[in-house]
Amino acid sequence: RKEVEQDPGPFNVPEGATVAFNCTYSNSASQSFFWYRQDCRKEPKLLMSVYSSGNEDGRFTAQLNRASQYISLLIRDSKLSDSATYLCVVGRYNTDKLIFGTGTRLQVFP
Amino acid sequence: NAGVTQTPKFRVLKTGQSMTLLCAQDMNHEYMYWYRQDPGMGLRLIHYSVGEGTTAKGEVPDGYNVSRLKKQNFLLGLESAAPSQTSVYFCASSYLAEQTNEQFFGPGTRLTVL
Repeated sequence: RKEVEQDPGPFNVPEGATVAFNCTYSNSASQSFFWYRQDCRKEPKLLMSVYSSGNEDGRFTAQLNRASQYISLLIRDSKLSDSATYLCVVGRYNTDKLIFGTGTRLQVFP
Repeated sequence: NAGVTQTPKFRVLKTGQSMTLLCAQDMNHEYMYWYRQDPGMGLRLIHYSVGEGTTAKGEVPDGYNVSRLKKQNFLLGLESAAPSQTSVYFCASSYLAEQTNEQFFGPGTRLTVL
């Protein structure tokens, strides 16, 4: 079993739709959680960190469920520019490694 | 600030050739990493460094060597390239704060081994 698992998609949604991605992780010692965004043929970039209490950044909301060991990302009012691959990333506290999921591809159409 | 830069951006090698990929960062980060990304595999850690003069193996280190002689530079070497090393290589750097270990990535090097 992979340490971080994501549905690869693609998720094809119209502009204005709400879309949610889930990610599960297997190592209960994981203490830091992130969503990265990767555009086609580009490097990954941090979208947002995920905190235990959940957090929101504009149209994006991230949630963490430690008991079930899953992380979610909700995108409201999807824009064409949201089309990308979203990587779920977990790491252990105060260590030097992050574990990346294989990513979920989102395609927003007009 | 340039952030994390990588050279070269593209390279084609023949089997058995050697090459070095250069990563540089200007953020004074202690930690640096080399990943490879292949379709359906996600990012996999090759080697990493927790400071100048130190390196450690990651998940897929075979066939690669690294050096961190200066804090701002992290070199990845392929001693004898194989077709299985065709991939996109990303360098990243980070600092360790109490609650986060966000990594900042370079633009990548696309390597093809024929």
